[in-house]
Amino acid sequence: DAGITQSPRYKITETGRQVTLMCHQTWSHSYMFWYRQDLGHGLRLIYYSAAADITDKGEVPDGYVVSRSKTENFPLTLESATRSQTSVYFCASTDRADTEAFFGQGTRLTVV
Amino acid sequence: GQQLNQSPQSMFIQEGEDVSMNCTSSSIFNTWLWYKQEPGEGPVLLIALYKAGELTSNGRLTAQFGITRKDSFLNISASIPSDVGIYFCAGQLIGSSWGKLQFGAGTQVVVTP
Repeated sequence: DAGITQSPRYKITETGRQVTLMCHQTWSHSYMFWYRQDLGHGLRLIYYSAAADITDKGEVPDGYVVSRSKTENFPLTLESATRSQTSVYFCASTDRADTEAFFGQGTRLTVV
Repeated sequence: GQQLNQSPQSMFIQEGEDVSMNCTSSSIFNTWLWYKQEPGEGPVLLIALYKAGELTSNGRLTAQFGITRKDSFLNISASIPSDVGIYFCAGQLIGSSWGKLQFGAGTQVVVTP
């Protein structure tokens, strides 16, 4: 199916573990983004990518790592999960034509 | 930190009433977007605004890009139960990298029959 998909939808992990959230889009959009959503904060940008092999930090990048070896995939890795990283994570993508970003359904991550 | 102030935080309205919410900032934006998010889903774009003073409608929704470029509002006319959700404004700061959006904290809308 065309679109942007995130996996897993739900994840529980322990403090200190490494966890990777996956994002895949089928539109060949150049730009991809990772946001986290917390109550009272709206969405905050973690990392973004303008093209394959080009990534840059957003507002809250600490504790996260990204890679983009292929245009369609943009995984987000928490190298050593902490409780403060409990959140809902959204991936988004957009084309160069405008700034309309399409969002995935989100991954709810709980760090215990 | 967050540069967009979105208000109100929540609204409880009766079906048929009009809804109004806004976003303000001390910074200048070159794009304003309004999204709606329903439980368990990602935000979905409602309206995009690209020019100061622009007024755009999408069905019962109307949004405007403030003339100062520092604010935007969204109106929903004759609300219906399916308007329930969280509405977010988002903007791209002038001078920021293309596609990097700032989001407001959201306005939760509850519609009662």
